[in-house]
Amino acid sequence: KNQVEQSPQSLIILEGKNCTLQCNYTVSPFSNLRWYKQDTGRGPVSLTIMTFSENTKSNGRYTATLDADTKQSSLHITASQLSDSASYICVVSDSGTYKYIFGTGTRLKVLA
Amino acid sequence: GAGVSQSPRYKVTKRGQDVTLRCDPISSHATLYWYQQALGQGPEFLTYFNYEAQPDKSGLPSDRFSAERPEGSISTLTIQRTEQRDSAMYRCASSPGTGWETQYFGPGTRLLVL
Repeated sequence: KNQVEQSPQSLIILEGKNCTLQCNYTVSPFSNLRWYKQDTGRGPVSLTIMTFSENTKSNGRYTATLDADTKQSSLHITASQLSDSASYICVVSDSGTYKYIFGTGTRLKVLA
Repeated sequence: GAGVSQSPRYKVTKRGQDVTLRCDPISSHATLYWYQQALGQGPEFLTYFNYEAQPDKSGLPSDRFSAERPEGSISTLTIQRTEQRDSAMYRCASSPGTGWETQYFGPGTRLLVL
């Protein structure tokens, strides 16, 4: 079982709508959690990074939340745009090492 | 440089051949990571360097895989006696310090083993 599970696997929404992507993890001890956006054929680009003491962080229309007690994170995208079509990857790091455990991602498609 | 660069961008090789992939991190970045990304999957950690030291190589899938960063800047990832299951995108990333900073990813090298 993957230590970082993301849902849904894929999502299709209309332009202008909001959506929320989920990330559940079992990595312990936990140090930080990142959300990446990966366009097709490109490398992942960091959207947010949160430590266990932070429970929300925004980057433009992207807002990430973290509940370290339940080991859940979400990425909320507001007023989606066609350019938001990409894979969104949740990455969790454990304390004391530089290992990054990647989720399998959510593939988002925004339609006009 | 302006960003992380990798070469070659594409590599096709025959099973059993050795391949070497190169990563040129952002200038002065202390930490360099190698990832393997299968089609449709997220990147899987392979190994990382703090300058020239290699504290963790536990993600390397077998002893056919090795990485170097002899002068603490450019790094190479070598796969010996390639197998078809080695076909994947190999991504390199660098970060400025040795803490929990954002990683900057290169464009990747797509390896196809026939």
